[in-house]
Amino acid sequence: SQTIHQWPATLVQPVGSPLSLECTVEGTSNPNLYWYRQAAGRGLQLLFYSVGIGQISSEVPQNLSASRPQDRQFILSSKKLLLSDSGFYLCAWSASSPTRNSPLHFGNGTRLTVT
Amino acid sequence: AQSVAQPEDQVNVAEGNPLTVKCTYSVSGNPYLFWYVQYPNRGLQFLLKYITGDNLVKGSYGFEAEFNKSQTSFHLKKPSALVSDSALYFCAFTGGGNKLTFGTGTQLKVEL
Repeated sequence: SQTIHQWPATLVQPVGSPLSLECTVEGTSNPNLYWYRQAAGRGLQLLFYSVGIGQISSEVPQNLSASRPQDRQFILSSKKLLLSDSGFYLCAWSASSPTRNSPLHFGNGTRLTVT
Repeated sequence: AQSVAQPEDQVNVAEGNPLTVKCTYSVSGNPYLFWYVQYPNRGLQFLLKYITGDNLVKGSYGFEAEFNKSQTSFHLKKPSALVSDSALYFCAFTGGGNKLTFGTGTQLKVEL
């Protein structure tokens, strides 16, 4: 069966420090991969998605970046964190487009606090 | 801009009573609509989807949703609520591509 791993579960980082959040998927090949941010426990904002290795689509201009160095690995990074980067970061995968009987499967998230 | 709206921040219902969580959409062309649920400090879980076909869609945990084109709505329903249904519910849509856009969420609280 397919599983998604996201770590760390919680992270406290000072302003101006770098960030690296990692997400890996097991049990499937060539998944679509997504990074969402959830602020204040409510709305989800799509940050990046990827349909293949090295293919990254950015949805919102910000000081975050994403990379997909391997088929089932998706990394969210920042060179210098801002206070506004605090939030709950969720990684997700789907077998293909959500319209093709392929829902998104989410990891358990990383709660990032920038101090 | 295309979007989905969840007009209620919170819905309270007594256990055993029917529940409805509302969602309306503003999507050009054929909308692809979804419901997800989130428990505290966890990722979202897929409940059900409408792509095409029957307007009444059945999903996980006894939930169902009705696609209503004339009212541009896709309300989530359950005939008899359980305390364990208490969670944050999200309506979502895609215009046919790889992006899934979520509504703002509705907190459901089921009380004894």
